[in-house]
Amino acid sequence: SSDLTQDPAVSVALGQTVRITCQGDSLRGSYANWYQQKPGQAPLLVIYRRNSRPSGIPDRFSGSSSGNTVSLTITGAQAEDEADYYCNFWDSSGDHLVFGGGTKLTVL
Amino acid sequence: QVTLRESGPALVKPTQTLTLTCTFSGFSLSTSGMSVSWIRQPPGKALEWLARIDWDDDRYYSTSLKTRLTIAKDTSRNQVVLIMTNMDPVDTGTYYCARMLRGVIGAFDIWGQGTMVTISS
Repeated sequence: SSDLTQDPAVSVALGQTVRITCQGDSLRGSYANWYQQKPGQAPLLVIYRRNSRPSGIPDRFSGSSSGNTVSLTITGAQAEDEADYYCNFWDSSGDHLVFGGGTKLTVL
Repeated sequence: QVTLRESGPALVKPTQTLTLTCTFSGFSLSTSGMSVSWIRQPPGKALEWLARIDWDDDRYYSTSLKTRLTIAKDTSRNQVVLIMTNMDPVDTGTYYCARMLRGVIGAFDIWGQGTMVTISS
């Protein structure tokens, strides 16, 4: 299956570190991308190709992978990081793109 | 500056066909490695990828929706069109077009603002 599983909700204290995970059997050997989406806005690419950041994305955002799990880590979470986060990857076996179900991050 | 803008009807009746247009600027879809996708989001729900068209006219579709979707490009007009047939109320949502970061499949670096489409009689 190419489904991607994300925890529906995660919380983090202001200034602390949080890891948001994305799990899927088809992720082994593939890279994932991560998006941040705030209410009423289009998604924003924050990590691509596992651990690359587009220009303008703070370096507190980083990506990693292990086995069938990819992770987005925010080191020193800020209030403005409160948002929904989505992972995605290209399933080359089926030639289609898959998004995870999203994780709502709350910064306490 | 790269921009994309979606346009199309805000309200569509069930069983009708939806046609959405993505008009972009700041890049050319005839440039090697360029690609544009359509992604949608029902209210309060997750993102769902619909279709992708590449610079060389290769086309890819969501497995679950492929029988209902057609994507096409007009390079001279800098437009990508998405046609979705047999619309249903569950297709209600915001429809986005997005440019893929060159050579990085699935990495959409620039998005349109989205267009809300409601399916209702």
